[in-house]
Amino acid sequence: GAVVSQHPSRVICKSGTSVKIECRSLDFQATTMFWYRQFPKQSLMLMATSNEGSKATYEQGVEKDKFLINHASLTLSTLTVASAHPEDSSFYICSATQGMRDTIYFGEGSWLTVV
Amino acid sequence: GQNIDQPTEMTATEGAIVQINCTYQTSGFNGLFWYQQHAGEAPTFLSYNVLDGLEEKGRFSSFLSRSKGYSYLLLKELQMKDSASYLCAVQGGGKLIFGQGTELSVKP
Repeated sequence: GAVVSQHPSRVICKSGTSVKIECRSLDFQATTMFWYRQFPKQSLMLMATSNEGSKATYEQGVEKDKFLINHASLTLSTLTVASAHPEDSSFYICSATQGMRDTIYFGEGSWLTVV
Repeated sequence: GQNIDQPTEMTATEGAIVQINCTYQTSGFNGLFWYQQHAGEAPTFLSYNVLDGLEEKGRFSSFLSRSKGYSYLLLKELQMKDSASYLCAVQGGGKLIFGQGTELSVKP
């Protein structure tokens, strides 16, 4: 079964609203979580690296005020897309690990459609 | 900077062998992953190499040369269901960075 659960799997929201996506590690403590977005026929682009209890490290070109990442506990990280626009429509996927030398597990991904 | 290169697409015949190459230049190296991804789904773990050499797992093998910044994924006895995107990812500097993926089409 899944060891990283991502919710919701699909969400449609109106332009201008905010959407929250949750990533949970089910049976291990995830000290590090990664958030990616993927456009059709493209690879996973790392948005940010999130370590429990500290601020996320964002990749160049990713707006931290628009993509708010919170990793408040060892089992939960959230990505909030603030004031979403149609161009934010994408597949968002998280991954989690206990440590950088441990196995990295992926969530099932979340399809966001902004209308 | 970080740079991971792999071919964009490849085509192979059912029952054949195909090798997908990946070259990388990253700041820090803790290991290299290969994932399989079908459209609209999350990546599925295939292999992990941290030391030089060949790792074999059934029909799939992965090779790593750290000095050359090079890896390949070898798929044997290709099946139609192997048609998918294959992603090379390098772990280093506290990050997991993906290449652009190789779209493999298996033809009858």
